[in-house]
Amino acid sequence: KNEVEQSPQNLTAQEGEFITINCSYSVGISALHWLQQHPGGGIVSLFMLSSGKKKHGRLIATINIQEKHSSLHITASHPRDSAVYICAALLGSARQLTFGSGTQLTVLP
Amino acid sequence: EAGVAQSPRYKIIEKRQSVAFWCNPISGHATLYWYQQILGQGPKLLIQFQNNGVVDDSQLPKDRFSAERLKGVDSTLKIQPAKLEDSAVYLCASRGDGEAFFGQGTRLTVV
Repeated sequence: KNEVEQSPQNLTAQEGEFITINCSYSVGISALHWLQQHPGGGIVSLFMLSSGKKKHGRLIATINIQEKHSSLHITASHPRDSAVYICAALLGSARQLTFGSGTQLTVLP
Repeated sequence: EAGVAQSPRYKIIEKRQSVAFWCNPISGHATLYWYQQILGQGPKLLIQFQNNGVVDDSQLPKDRFSAERLKGVDSTLKIQPAKLEDSAVYLCASRGDGEAFFGQGTRLTVV
C-alpha cells in the first residue's frame, strides 16, 4: 500500500465545473505539495501546505492533519486546467518526498 | 532565482548501452531527490541526498543504477546497462528548508 493515495485517477469535467481531487496519507507528514504536470514532464508546484487552507486564483488547497487528508479544488474549471495533478508529502524525519499516483484531469470546452 | 536544471531533456539509447543524467539544484538547497516516472504513474523515489550524503537509496536498482553528488551540489544519475523497462522520465528535485522545486526532467527511451 502506498503511503500517499490519490483519487480519482482520471477525471473529466465540463468547462465551468467545480473540481475536487483528493489525497490521503497514512503516516505523519511535515508538509504536502500539490503539483501540476503538463505533457512533456515538467512539474510546477502549486501549493505547499502544512495546515489549513491556501488559495491562489481559482485554485484552493486544504489539509486536515488529524484526518490525514488534503484536497485540491479548482473553481470555474477551464480547458487550460487540463493536466496531471499530483500530491506529494514530506514524510518522516528524513523529509522523504513521496508522490501520489496522480490525477489526469481533462476539462472539455 | 534560477530553477532546477536538468540535462539532457531527451535521450534515446539502445538496450545495454549506458546513459547519464545531470542535475543542478537551486543554489543552497541541501536536499536533492532523483525520481523515475514511468508513463501513467506517479514519480517513484530513486535516491535522496542530503548535501553529499545518501539519505535513502532503498528503491535504487543498484545493479545498474548509480548516483553521486560529490561536492554536495550537482548530481549525476547513471544507468549501466540500460534495459527496455528503464524508459521513463527522470526527475530531479531540490529542497532547502521549505518548498521543493522540480526540474523539467529527462525523457529516456530505451530501444
